[in-house]
This record gives sequence, structure tokens and C-alpha cells, in this order.
Amino acid sequence: TQLLEQSPQFLSIQEGENLTVYCNSSSVFSSLQWYRQEPGEGPVLLVTVVTGGEVKKLKRLTFQFGDARKDSSLHITAAQPGDTGLYLCAGGAIYGNKLVFGAGTILRVKS
Amino acid sequence: DTGVSQNPRHKITKRGQNVTFRCDPISEHNRLYWYRQTLGQGPEFLTYFQNEAQLEKSRLLSDRFSAERPKGSFSTLEIQRTEQGDSAMYLCASSPQGRPNNEQFFGPGTRLTVL
Repeated sequence: TQLLEQSPQFLSIQEGENLTVYCNSSSVFSSLQWYRQEPGEGPVLLVTVVTGGEVKKLKRLTFQFGDARKDSSLHITAAQPGDTGLYLCAGGAIYGNKLVFGAGTILRVKS
Repeated sequence: DTGVSQNPRHKITKRGQNVTFRCDPISEHNRLYWYRQTLGQGPEFLTYFQNEAQLEKSRLLSDRFSAERPKGSFSTLEIQRTEQGDSAMYLCASSPQGRPNNEQFFGPGTRLTVL
């Protein structure tokens, strides 16, 4: 069974601070997606990383896929209140088409 | 808006009743997925369609659950004899054929509450 563990589970920071969210597994994934979810809504895709060691940037967000394709991180620079939400990582199965999700990191950015 | 749509957005039902949810994927997406999300957890995979064929089912999908995609477009998820443990957000996602990397685009979900 493929599992993804996210840490921390909850993060409360002040506006302007930096933060990093981690997503770890003992399994290899074909790809890793990061989603952001608002209460009562579905997850919204932020980025997909595919190649081991790959780094992608989306404005103040930086995503990295581990060399062995087992882990990933999301770094946010100068967090803003609009970044508040649930951040989910999801691994694409090597065989099959489903996504395996972590439990998520709840981020709260206070102004 | 051409994103994934789901109806209804909210459903409250009494234990033992049957409920049916509908998902309309992004136009021309031939792959469709159903997930379930409970409070404090990430979504869990339920089932997957490629066109009208149901190709994968999770062990979470008990005999009371059935999903269909008769014409390869919209899909329905039915839960028979609902139980309080079925209370959750039911999410639908779609992706186009040939899109690598398992990228899936989610709808807003249907929140089910079983009393």
C-alpha cells in the first residue's frame, strides 16, 4: 500500500513569513501533484512534478520532487493571508491511474 | 465555466435511504474518477472510468455503492441503504487521454450528511 505522510499537519504563521511543507513516502511515484483546497470546495491543482530532483516555481511557491521520487516539498516565500487553505500532496501510482493523497497541511496566515 | 461540475452540492438524508450523485467532467476528458474525503483526511480513491468502462474499484467501494458512466460522458454514484459512516465529501475528477502524470481536475464535491 502506498502512503504519503505530510508534515506539519497544521501551521499558523504571520504574514510575510516563509514556510515549508513536506510530503514523504517509502514508495516511488510516477508523479507528484500539489493541490490547494478551500473549505467546502474541491482541490485545485497547483503543480505537477515528474522528474526526480525537479524544481518548479509558481510565483512565491517553490515545489521540489526528491531525487528518488519518494518525497516532495512546497516552500512559500513571504506568505500572505490569501495563501490560507489546506495543501494536499498526491502521488500518481506507478501502475494504474489513481492518486494517493496525504492527509494535508492546514495553513493559516495571519495579517 | 468548463470545469468539472457536481450535483447536488449538498445532500442530507436519513439512514437507510438511497442517494445518487452526478458528475459532469470537463468536455472531452475520457477519464473520470470518484474519491471520498472525510474530515481531516485527504481524498481516498473509490473508482475510475475510461470512457464508459469501469477499470478500477477500491475495496472502499462496498456492495452498497455503484457507479456508472453509461455514455462515457457524465457519471453517477449511487449509495444504497446509507449509513452514518457514509457521511463525507464525494469528489469527482477528470483527466484527458494522453495526459501524462496522473493530472486530475476536481469538481466542487457533493457533501453528504446521513442522519
